[in-house]
Amino acid sequence: EVQLVESGGGLVQPGGSLRLSCAASGFTFSSFEMNWVRQAPGKGLEWVSFISSSGSPIYYADSVKGRFTISRDDAKNSLYLQMNSLRAEDTAVYYCARATVVPAANFDYWGQGTLVTVSS
Amino acid sequence: DIQMTQSPSSVSASVGDRVTITCQASQGINNWLAWYQQKPGKAPKLLIYAASSLQSGVPSRFSGSRSGTDFTLTISSLQPEDFATYYCQQANSFPLTFGGGTKVEIK
Repeated sequence: EVQLVESGGGLVQPGGSLRLSCAASGFTFSSFEMNWVRQAPGKGLEWVSFISSSGSPIYYADSVKGRFTISRDDAKNSLYLQMNSLRAEDTAVYYCARATVVPAANFDYWGQGTLVTVSS
Repeated sequence: DIQMTQSPSSVSASVGDRVTITCQASQGINNWLAWYQQKPGKAPKLLIYAASSLQSGVPSRFSGSRSGTDFTLTISSLQPEDFATYYCQQANSFPLTFGGGTKVEIK
């Protein structure tokens, strides 16, 4: 069974940093592209970042470019999102999502999400 | 960036009704459109990919179609478990973008 479990969310002050993790199981993690998608409270879905199975290419939404860094560790079956210079508007539930094979830009499995709250 | 305009933002319907949700892309995306269902407090679920392909395990009452840059999700006979919010998403190019969502509510 495919499972994605996010962790690392919490309360952080504006300007602070946080590192999210996503532990994957039930599939060959190294073979799949992965994404982060977020959802602000009461709002819609926003794609955040993509990383290919090989680690390159990597893409970011303009709203996080230069502040967030996506990475993966295939030996640990894990996906990460390093978030720096956090802003109030980054407050959201962050989901780890596996990319479909064809096309490689839909999301067929999602984690349960981890809440990030940026507030003083 | 490709903008996805989804309508309506909400719809009230009864069990057994046919419900149609539309999504318009700001430019051509070929067939690279997906539909998701999200229930409160839960992660989204992939329903349809490549505009009209049903994801494994999704009931056949869900269907998708395309006409140019206009895409449609149809629920042929609404069931109690279908009351949720639905999102479209273009998979043609980065940045990936979602529509604003359609909340299907009980009439």
